[in-house]
Amino acid sequence: DAGVTQSPTHLIKTRGQQVTLRCSPISGHKSVSWYQQVLGQGPQFIFQYYEKEERGRGNFPDRFSARQFPNYSSELNVNALLLGDSALYLCASSIGQSVEKLFFGSGTQLSVL
Amino acid sequence: GENVEQHPSTLSVQEGDSAVIKCTYSDSASNYFPWYKQELGKGPQLIIDIRSNVGEKKDQRIAVTLNKTAKHFSLHITETQPEDSAVYFCAAISPGGSQGNLIFGKGTKLSVKP
Repeated sequence: DAGVTQSPTHLIKTRGQQVTLRCSPISGHKSVSWYQQVLGQGPQFIFQYYEKEERGRGNFPDRFSARQFPNYSSELNVNALLLGDSALYLCASSIGQSVEKLFFGSGTQLSVL
Repeated sequence: GENVEQHPSTLSVQEGDSAVIKCTYSDSASNYFPWYKQELGKGPQLIIDIRSNVGEKKDQRIAVTLNKTAKHFSLHITETQPEDSAVYFCAAISPGGSQGNLIFGKGTKLSVKP
């Protein structure tokens, strides 16, 4: 079975631009969470969506937004990019709303120049 | 909110030796503690987890122990192999917030020398 898939794998943007990252969860998983991982640090929670509704939000500015589609795939949008947004963006899925047994994709490496 | 501290930040062992990574957490209400392994260029992979009603869990060469009183938990890898080399993260679920919010430690880079 396919795991969590993310696209694109790498992305280069300039300051002020907008970016959209995409994620497809494991088949049968209804929850998608987004995490940001800065080099040398652990992942930091951005959003969780379950059954197409936002169920949690981390300490990130309003420039970050997300949504979940009827097929449970998800998009993360970041507006007005800053240099500090450069990071690995990870998508993870779980069967239900609880993140016990959370499975991650390989991430999208975003570089902001 | 929950805070997770992880030690050491780097660990080098000889193949066949054991490796131990320790984490402490701050919120006594936390009840789920997973461990993830992250290889270069990949996302974190869940390798073992433990719930707060269990003191120890084993899976082949990997074990996790939990001390709720002291609020710390540890990952033990026995008979280490070169393919165990990776960055390991501990995490705790933040019970006061979204159930989707795992709080991660800063990671331990494990190097297993052949």
